[in-house]
Amino acid sequence: AQSVSQHNHHVILSEAASLELGCNYSYGGTVNLFWYVQYPGQHLQLLLKYFSGDPLVKGIKGFEAEFIKSKFSFNLRKPSVQWSDTAEYFCAVGSGGYQKVTFGTGTKLQVIP
Amino acid sequence: DAGVIQSPRHEVTEMGQEVTLRCKPISGHNSLFWYRQTMMRGLELLIYFNNNVPIDDSGMPEDRFSAKMPNASFSTLKIQPSEPRDSAVYFCASSSTGATGELFFGEGSRLTVL
Repeated sequence: AQSVSQHNHHVILSEAASLELGCNYSYGGTVNLFWYVQYPGQHLQLLLKYFSGDPLVKGIKGFEAEFIKSKFSFNLRKPSVQWSDTAEYFCAVGSGGYQKVTFGTGTKLQVIP
Repeated sequence: DAGVIQSPRHEVTEMGQEVTLRCKPISGHNSLFWYRQTMMRGLELLIYFNNNVPIDDSGMPEDRFSAKMPNASFSTLKIQPSEPRDSAVYFCASSSTGATGELFFGEGSRLTVL
């Protein structure tokens, strides 16, 4: 069975600080990797995704993530966070013919102005 | 284009009552997922369907929970009888297998069982 681990449950940063959120997954086969964002009171929205090719993927709002296959990791980064990035971030793994998607437990990011 | 539509958005009920949550996926999507989100357990996959057929219901907590997808444009998640520990936000999401797993979420149904 696949699983996803997010190491940080709650992160507090000042505006302009750099962000890196860790994500590791366990699954023996080919996977698709995702980061979703949930703003307060809203539903989850796709931030970025990796299917194949360049392991460094760029998403919306200046976010990027790097797939390191040897480490089973897909960490999310942003060079300079803004107050509007305050949200909960979920790493997710899709696998199998029916693309079962499993989510990590989420990381709450609080950006202080 | 309409996104995933869930109803009701909020439901408050008393323990023991039946609760039915509804979902209309995006037209053309052939996979549908039900997730439950709580503070304690995060986002849990309850069940998912492909082409209206349940593929994996191993996440359904117990027999009180059931889900159906009678056609490509409608799914229900039913809890009978409901208990206070079922209080959560229930999300429905749909995807097209051609899009390799990207999920589109509804706004969620916030359930409170008193």
